[in-house]
Amino acid sequence: QAQLVQSGAEVKEPGASVKVSCKASDYTFTDYGIIWVRQAPGQGLEWMGWISTYNGNTNYAQRLQGRVTLTTDTSTSTAYMELRSLRSDDTAVYYCAKKGSDLEFDPWGQGTLVTVSS
Amino acid sequence: QSALTQPPSASGSPGQSVSISCTGTSSDVGGYNYVSWYQQHPGKAPKLMIYEVNKRPSGVPDRFSGSKSGNTASLTVSGLQAEDEADYYCNSYAGSNSWVFGGGTKLTVL
Repeated sequence: QAQLVQSGAEVKEPGASVKVSCKASDYTFTDYGIIWVRQAPGQGLEWMGWISTYNGNTNYAQRLQGRVTLTTDTSTSTAYMELRSLRSDDTAVYYCAKKGSDLEFDPWGQGTLVTVSS
Repeated sequence: QSALTQPPSASGSPGQSVSISCTGTSSDVGGYNYVSWYQQHPGKAPKLMIYEVNKRPSGVPDRFSGSKSGNTASLTVSGLQAEDEADYYCNSYAGSNSWVFGGGTKLTVL
């Protein structure tokens, strides 16, 4: 049973950067891409971006272009999401998920709360 | 990349059926058979319920079904049970390795 385990909660000041990790287990990491999704408090899901774990190709949501970078470390089966120039409206729970061969997202990580506050 | 349109709320009594719509455009829902649905209980991560419009992952009850017509997809929950009360999100592939979510629908079991 594939599993994704994310890093712990973070508190950052406005203007700082945050890097969230997502460690995969029980499947071949490089066979499936990883997507990142965030959810602001009381709000819906927002797709942030996708990374190919095979060759590192990426695609980002337009509104986050220039501030977000997705990377992977295939030696440890870990994906990373870095968000820079943090603002208060970046406060959210950030999720990673495995992108299946039918373009479905399953499973999901447990989520990482990032709080941006001075 | 505009969000797909879902009704903010839906409700039904135990045992009844309820459908949730998800409207997009020909660039997402209408253009691909890659619509999926996710269930989210408060404080939990989303869970895949339907993929490729109408396929159910193993372990998801057959009370959950999906369909699509044109630019609108739908999730139907039959024989409503108390544990079905949750938020539901649709998602569609939008081409070039991009995806878009719906705004979410809060399903209440009366």
